[in-house]
Amino acid sequence: GNSVTQMEGPVTLSEEAFLTINCTYTATGYPSLFWYVQYPGEGLQLLLKATKADDKGSNKGFEATYRKETTSFHLEKGSVQVSDSAVYFCALRAMMGGSNYKLTFGKGTLLTVNP
Amino acid sequence: EADIYQTPRYLVIGTGKKITLECSQTMGHDKMYWYQQDPGMELHLIHYSYGVNSTEKGDLSSESTVSRIRTEHFPLTLESARPSHTSQYLCASSPVLSQGPNYGYTFGSGTRLTVV
Repeated sequence: GNSVTQMEGPVTLSEEAFLTINCTYTATGYPSLFWYVQYPGEGLQLLLKATKADDKGSNKGFEATYRKETTSFHLEKGSVQVSDSAVYFCALRAMMGGSNYKLTFGKGTLLTVNP
Repeated sequence: EADIYQTPRYLVIGTGKKITLECSQTMGHDKMYWYQQDPGMELHLIHYSYGVNSTEKGDLSSESTVSRIRTEHFPLTLESARPSHTSQYLCASSPVLSQGPNYGYTFGSGTRLTVV
């Protein structure tokens, strides 16, 4: 079946530090990959996505590259800000029997950025 | 502006009460989902619907029920709330199947339910 494994947190960084949150996946077929962000007290927001191998998704200074050879989609940001403090979810969407495409989430990584 | 709305944002209710969590979307999405999020952040799919009059149970067993009488509306009901139902409930939607796997889900802001 499909699954997503992401780096366990919590992750605590100082402002302007470099961020990496690791994400690897197992899927049948050709999945699309996503990173979602959840700010305190809110629902999930789509941060970025990549739909095929070697695609790079980017948004708000965050980047992730779809690596089929290593089945990975690591999230990176060169200089984090306090406002980036949130929970980050890696997810994939792939065929789940018949013609159904369901989103499969990782367990989430809590990031705290200190000033 | 197209969006997905959940009400109420916060609800504190006594044990044994019947409650309905509302979810509506204005994007014309066929597919809708309910997730329960535990304090450890993990998301658990409890119900989903692929269209009007279609509802299915998700990966996590839940005592709640759902209905889908209109495309835009996907309410979740608990007939008799218990403290074990205390959680954050997130509603989401996604476009029709013909757009394949390239689209993620759009989420509402969630309802934080506390049963005392």
